[in-house]
Amino acid sequence: ELKVEQNPLFLSMQEGKNYTIYCNYSTTSDRLYWYRQDPGKSLESLFVLLSNGAVKQEGRLMASLDTKARLSTLHITAAVHDLSATYFCAVDSGGSNYKLTFGKGTLLTVNP
Amino acid sequence: KAGVTQTPRYLIKTRGQQVTLSCSPISGHRSVSWYQQTPGQGLQFLFEYFSETQRNKGNFPGRFSGRQFSNSRSEMNVSTLELGDSALYLCASSVIAGVYEQYFGPGTRLTVT
Repeated sequence: ELKVEQNPLFLSMQEGKNYTIYCNYSTTSDRLYWYRQDPGKSLESLFVLLSNGAVKQEGRLMASLDTKARLSTLHITAAVHDLSATYFCAVDSGGSNYKLTFGKGTLLTVNP
Repeated sequence: KAGVTQTPRYLIKTRGQQVTLSCSPISGHRSVSWYQQTPGQGLQFLFEYFSETQRNKGNFPGRFSGRQFSNSRSEMNVSTLELGDSALYLCASSVIAGVYEQYFGPGTRLTVT
């Protein structure tokens, strides 16, 4: 059974600081997704990582995937308050299987 | 292009009742998945449909069922509601070819009293 672990689960940051969220998964997969969720809202897709070594950047967020280590990272650069949200990584089981297994999420709070 | 739509957005039901939730995928998307989100269990996969066939199912009791229609719209049904079924139910749609990204709808907030 595929397991996805995120850490940390809670992250309180000061504006302007950098930090990284880690996502480990238990079985081979080369498809990993990052989502953002604001309170009471649905999931917003941030990044889709489809191969080993994939790196994607959008604004202050950068995601990478190491399929050999079964690890993805979401790096936050110079955090701003608007980045406060819960961030989820999700891994799908491969092939034509569209079942996503999610991590428990990282609640990010960026303080002024 | 319109996004994934879910109806109703909010629902309050009593234990023992049944409920049907609806999801309309993005136009051209043929795969629809359902997820349950609760504070305790997080996001859990319920089932996935493609071309009116259930292709994958998560670890939920038989009280949870779904179907997909020929226009790709999907419904999920929960019978004999329990308090623990209170959750945000999210529907997501995907295209088959290319990037396997799932696009999520706004969700239906179900409260069971």
